[in-house]
Parts: sequence; C-alpha cells; structure tokens
Amino acid sequence: SQQGEEDPQALSIQEGENATMNCSYKTSINNLQWYRQNSGRGLVHLILIRSNEREKHSGRLRVTLDTSKKSSSLLITASRAADTASYFCATESETNDYKLSFGAGTTVTVRA
Amino acid sequence: NAGVTQTPKFQVLKTGQSMTLQCAQDMNHEYMSWYRQDPGMGLRLIHYSVGAGITDQGEVPNGYNVSRSTTEDFPLRLLSAAPSQTSVYFCASTLFNEQFFGPGTRLTVL
Repeated sequence: SQQGEEDPQALSIQEGENATMNCSYKTSINNLQWYRQNSGRGLVHLILIRSNEREKHSGRLRVTLDTSKKSSSLLITASRAADTASYFCATESETNDYKLSFGAGTTVTVRA
Repeated sequence: NAGVTQTPKFQVLKTGQSMTLQCAQDMNHEYMSWYRQDPGMGLRLIHYSVGAGITDQGEVPNGYNVSRSTTEDFPLRLLSAAPSQTSVYFCASTLFNEQFFGPGTRLTVL
C-alpha cells in the first residue's frame, strides 16, 4: 500500500511564483525523498531528508520534515517553465532497506 | 556512463503472451528495483534485488518473475500477460539511498 500522499494533486502557477506541495505518510521512516518526473520520462532524484533533519536546501528547493506530524513539504522558489513536472515524495522505512514507498504525486504546471 | 537503460521503450502484447523487459546499469550498484506506474498512482514496487543472485518480492509481485545473474542486469519477466499488467514499467538502481531510474517501458496488453 502507498505510504505517502501528496497535496495538492495539481498546482498551476505563474513563472516566478513559488510552488509548495505537501506529503503526509503513515509509519515511521528512515528518510523521505522527493523526485521529479517530466512527462514520459523516468523519475529524477531531487533531495533526501533524513528523519533527524528538519529542513534541507538544494538550489531553489527547500524541503521540511515534521516527524511528529508525519509530513513533509517541498517548496520550489522562483519557478520556471522547466519546473513543469510531476513531483513525488517517497519514504524509506526505519529498517533502511532501500525499499521506497511512493505517493501519487503533485502535477505542477508553470505558466509563462 | 549510460546510467540505467531499459528495452524496449514500447511493447504491445496479447493476453497470455510472455515477454522479458530488460534493464541494465553500468554504475556497479548492488541494489536494483522494478516498479510499475499506473495513471493517478505513484510507483509500486514489483521486485527488488540487493545483489547478484538475490531477489525478493515487493508490493505487487504476482504475475512477474525476476532474476539477477550479474550486477549489471535485472530482467523482469511477464509469465502470461494480462490486461491488468498494462502499465509503465521503471527499473531503478540505488546508491546511498538515492534511486536512479531508467526511462521506462510502456506496455499495453490487449
């Protein structure tokens, strides 16, 4: 069964605006990861945040993790047309066995 | 490095046919996985392998077999295709918790 659920399912923003999406999960985790998928392509790893971390940055990406609420958020700042894609959160369980459980994703459309 | 490669990119099968989806990686990663992606859903794990000669079932293994004779290759075999197996299939290899995905195989079963 899927561990993560993203919210919203779809998001449309103007170029230059920020995009925020959320992920909630059910069981304790070792880490949470965000991936991007462009239409018709494979997933690309964006960022990993470990269960003992609260915030992480990578370029225009900012990820937060609240283990008490079992939730994470991904913020993309100053969005560009190239950010148009689906974004998935994936959780790895406490057993650290590399097995990931993916959510259904948030589809982000950036309008020029 | 080519990364993770998958063949074929597209395939149409008739119900009951069998076929093998190929996956190869040139990064010497021990851990590899197969997922399927259906519309409106995230990826679901079919089978995975922690190294040559070792495979295990994921969330949705029924109707699929895998083998891992080498570190590089991790083929996925459909034993008797069913319309419910119409999906996009992704292979991935893992290093330090980060998964590297192939481009996918879009499979249609009629």
